Amino acid sequence: GESVGLHLPTLSVQEGDNSIINCAYSNSASDYFIWYKQESGKGPQFIIDIRSNMDKRQGQRVTVLLNKTVKHLSLQIAATQPGDSAVYFCAERTGANNLFFGTGTRLTVIP
Amino acid sequence: DTGVSQNPRHKITKRGQNVTFRCDPISEHNRLYWYRQTLGQGPEFLTYFQNEAQLEKSRLLSDRFSAERPKGSFSTLEIQRTEQGDSAMYLCASSLRQGNEQFFGPGTRLTVL
Repeated sequence: GESVGLHLPTLSVQEGDNSIINCAYSNSASDYFIWYKQESGKGPQFIIDIRSNMDKRQGQRVTVLLNKTVKHLSLQIAATQPGDSAVYFCAERTGANNLFFGTGTRLTVIP
Repeated sequence: DTGVSQNPRHKITKRGQNVTFRCDPISEHNRLYWYRQTLGQGPEFLTYFQNEAQLEKSRLLSDRFSAERPKGSFSTLEIQRTEQGDSAMYLCASSLRQGNEQFFGPGTRLTVL
């Protein structure tokens, strides 16, 4: 079955530095990937998505990179701010309509 | 605030009791999803609706769980004869159609004593 996981469960960065959160997926048939941010007591919040026919997509302060060869996904956050502190999840979709989520990485921004 | 609302936000119940949660999706979204999230884990898919039709159910959705979306707008998730293992955050999400991002509600946190 599908498997989505994260290399690092926790990540601490200094305010102003760039953050990179990594994610590995196992299903080469996945056609859509999405990053969510979840703050304590809240539901996941959409950050950025990417389709399998793309390698890179940029948003405001965020960039998602997709390497289909090694089935790896990363989220880069530029100039990390205290408000970026949260748990970040990657999720994949494989033709069906539901998303498969990984365990998550907790990002802590040190002021 | 994504526009998806869930009620109640918190529910504490005793083992064996029935509970029902409600989700109001973004009004123009025809797809509605239910997920369950336990502490430290990512959300796990339970079921989804396109309009009023329940099109997919996960193996996680045991016979004690039932979901409805009678008019294709709001949805309810009922758990009968709750067990301590049902304690989790129950998340609802909605989207316009397949391929569009899913917008999540704040969740209902269930605690079964």
